[in-house]
Amino acid sequence: QQQVKQSPQSLIVQKGGIPIINCAYENTAFDYFPWYQQFPGKGPALLIAIRPDVSEKKEGRFTISFNKSAKQFSLHIMDSQPGDSATYFCAASRPTNTGNQFYFGTGTSLTVIP
Amino acid sequence: DTGVSQDPRHKITKRGQNVTFRCDPISEHNRLYWYRQTLGQGPEFLTYFQNEAQLEKSRLLSDRFSAERPKGSFSTLEIQRTEQGDSAMYLCASSLSYYRDSSGNTIYFGEGSWLTVV
Repeated sequence: QQQVKQSPQSLIVQKGGIPIINCAYENTAFDYFPWYQQFPGKGPALLIAIRPDVSEKKEGRFTISFNKSAKQFSLHIMDSQPGDSATYFCAASRPTNTGNQFYFGTGTSLTVIP
Repeated sequence: DTGVSQDPRHKITKRGQNVTFRCDPISEHNRLYWYRQTLGQGPEFLTYFQNEAQLEKSRLLSDRFSAERPKGSFSTLEIQRTEQGDSAMYLCASSLSYYRDSSGNTIYFGEGSWLTVV
């Protein structure tokens, strides 16, 4: 069972456009929602993260919007650049008795056309 | 801070052979995770250590898989009698555990170890 559902699977935008990637979850025990960026052949790198007590977080050109009641969150990339072309994963984490368990979405492949 | 280091980066092996991957976490991190990632999928949790104790294992981790973290520093993941279905990228990640909620315990991934079983 996929704990975090991510869409779309792939996305193509023109340079300067604002791609939006959406994720949804069901488990209200999740208390932390990071996004990772992955380039081909590399491991995922932390991009930006949010806690459910805030509705929006911005870091540079990247913004997370969080809707706690709808159990949805999304990543917006402002003024997208060809160098942003990568696969993006959303994740959700919850504390457990033995640590923190992270669950990942299936990823969105973003292509930014020059 | 040198980040999470994994070795080897790529391994091609024949079906039935054993392989071992090594992970060196970020030095002050006491938690270490192993994930598996196949093409077009997100990372899937395999197992997790806090210091030297293996605290959780996924059902994905069959009897052919074993992980160790003998001194609470580096970890190894061994796959015995490899099968073609084991072909994937094996990701190691590490984090701190000083916070009661998840936000302070962000996991940081290594570059991954690609396994191809032929």
